[in-house]
Amino acid sequence: EDKVVQSPLSLVVHEGDTVTLNCSYEVTNFRSLLWYKQEKKAPTFLFMLTSSGIEKKSGRLSSILDKKELFSILNITATQTGDSAVYLCAVGRWYNFNKFYFGSGTKLNVKP
Amino acid sequence: DTAVSQTPKYLVTQMGNDKSIKCEQNLGHDTMYWYKQDSKKFLKIMFSYNNKELIINETVPNRFSPKSPDKAHLNLHINSLELGDSAVYFCASSQDESRTLNSPLHFGNGTRLTVT
Repeated sequence: EDKVVQSPLSLVVHEGDTVTLNCSYEVTNFRSLLWYKQEKKAPTFLFMLTSSGIEKKSGRLSSILDKKELFSILNITATQTGDSAVYLCAVGRWYNFNKFYFGSGTKLNVKP
Repeated sequence: DTAVSQTPKYLVTQMGNDKSIKCEQNLGHDTMYWYKQDSKKFLKIMFSYNNKELIINETVPNRFSPKSPDKAHLNLHINSLELGDSAVYFCASSQDESRTLNSPLHFGNGTRLTVT
């Protein structure tokens, strides 16, 4: 059965800390892994990863995929209170009409 | 200039009622989706339409019926609502250049459905 597991489930840090969020997957015909940030409403797209070992970066956020070990990490450096959100990982497959399997998310709380 | 908009934002109704949620996207995308997010934050796909054609239909009770009048709209009608239907329902869209590839989903703000 296809599975996407995120860890930790929740995390509390202080502003300025660096955090690493994990996403592991067991999905046949893996094609891509996506990260989303969900605050109060709509999940907003962060990164899409398809190749192993190539880091994607946007400001203080970065992510990398390891297709051999079947996981991805999302790093946030110098965290700010505005980073508080649920971070969702989703995995897509080849030939599967863009159907994504989501993890249950990591809830990040950044305290001032 | 909202990209994916859904209405209503909140829906409180009693068991047994029938209700609809509407979704519209102005991104020019070809594919639209309905996802259900439960209390544990799991997002699970329910339906997907590509150019008005149903392409994903997960194991969902047939009380749930999607309708796509055109590629910019996807509505969800729910008959005989049950307590277990309480959740947040998200509409999403994506631009699919090829059915073999993946393209990011753009989500609406969700409709929080509460069945009492």
